[in-house]
Amino acid sequence: NAGVMQNPRHLVRRRGQEARLRCSPMKGHSHVYWYRQLPEEGLKFMVYLQKENIIDESGMPKERFSAEFPKEGPSILRIQQVVRGDSAAYFCASSHPRQRNTGELFFGEGSRLTVL
Amino acid sequence: QKEVEQNSGPLSVPEGAIASLNCTYSDRGSQSFFWYRQYSGKSPELIMSIYSNGDKEDGRFTAQLNKASQYVSLLIRDSQPSDSATYLCAVIIVNFGNEKLTFGTGTRLTIIP
Repeated sequence: NAGVMQNPRHLVRRRGQEARLRCSPMKGHSHVYWYRQLPEEGLKFMVYLQKENIIDESGMPKERFSAEFPKEGPSILRIQQVVRGDSAAYFCASSHPRQRNTGELFFGEGSRLTVL
Repeated sequence: QKEVEQNSGPLSVPEGAIASLNCTYSDRGSQSFFWYRQYSGKSPELIMSIYSNGDKEDGRFTAQLNKASQYVSLLIRDSQPSDSATYLCAVIIVNFGNEKLTFGTGTRLTIIP
């Protein structure tokens, strides 16, 4: 399967714990985007990364959230000290370098975080 | 004003009829527009893109763009039950030199057999 792979698909955490969400882009894609979707709401942009670079993190909350896309391995979205309001579906998307900023994104199946 | 606005629905359309989904956007400088389909519990999937004023047809889907009115729509002809999903309008918005794909909240479409 050459699609965007996200894991875990479902994650349950208690308040104050850490959540780590992983995303492997499609083969040949070097641009990764993270979006958050709350129930009954649209997708909200969080961060855009290329290998070893954060290009745009204007949608990331100022505290507790961080993202990386190392030279080797998947992109990781990390949420420290989770609170109930962090419960959401987190979608990763990737695009081919030649399609940067065309809006033609390929999404993973999402990671659904539940904070108890 | 939201950057991308859609009626949340739900929109119910009889099978075989035309479903019309509408979207408005705030950035007059936007040049790229997309429609994504999202089935319940699934990931968004790109179904149409449009960059120029007018109509663009792909099978049963037609996207319409009017930049002067800052309006983009999606028509689905001969609606099928399998078209029941949430349709997300997305626009590339430029903020401080950064381009990002910005989504509306989506319109939930139900095709009634």
